[in-house]
Amino acid sequence: ETGVTQSPTHLIKTRGQQVTLRCSSQSGHNTVSWYQQALGQGPQFIFQYYREEENGRGNFPPRFSGLQFPNYSSELNVNALELDDSALYLCASSFKGQENNEQFFGPGTRLTVL
Amino acid sequence: DAKTTQPNSMESNEEEPVHLPCNHSTISGTDYIHWYRQLPSQGPEYVIHGLTSNVNNRMASLAIAEDRKSSTLILHRATLRDAAVYYCILRPPRAFGNEKLTFGTGTRLTIIP
Repeated sequence: ETGVTQSPTHLIKTRGQQVTLRCSSQSGHNTVSWYQQALGQGPQFIFQYYREEENGRGNFPPRFSGLQFPNYSSELNVNALELDDSALYLCASSFKGQENNEQFFGPGTRLTVL
Repeated sequence: DAKTTQPNSMESNEEEPVHLPCNHSTISGTDYIHWYRQLPSQGPEYVIHGLTSNVNNRMASLAIAEDRKSSTLILHRATLRDAAVYYCILRPPRAFGNEKLTFGTGTRLTIIP
């Protein structure tokens, strides 16, 4: 069973640029969630996708957008990058309907905005 | 979302039990109590969850107060690999909608060799 993978591991961008982060869900999972983790803080929920549609969103502006593909892989896109977007971005997959709602996290992508 | 309160940090000696407390006085009757942990340089991982009764699994035990306003994660014999940030999270039943996790700042557990 392959776990959740994310790419790239690290990324450096400058303010105003756009970035795309990628996630491959664990086999058999149909739901993917994205989280932002600033240094010293717990992860904050950005949004969740189920069956290729957004299924809930946290307190993040529209320049944060996502996609889920038929093979359940996913992308997080961030436009007009700001310095405060520097963080660890975590992807988590799960199977909607599982009793304990366990989410399986990838190792994250560390984004630095200069 | 109901709020949880945890100590910022705790220390424990290796091979001794660890009790990690969590207060959740505003918990609703249907919220489940979940614990995740985040090892250094990794994403969070599920540890255990429960509703009313105490729970045991291969990683830990979860003791839930009778009034459900607090809970304690118990690591029976801490090892150096248990050094992590532990998050106590309240979640509504899966039928209530999306399955997001609402993390606080957690408890950073340091294991002393």
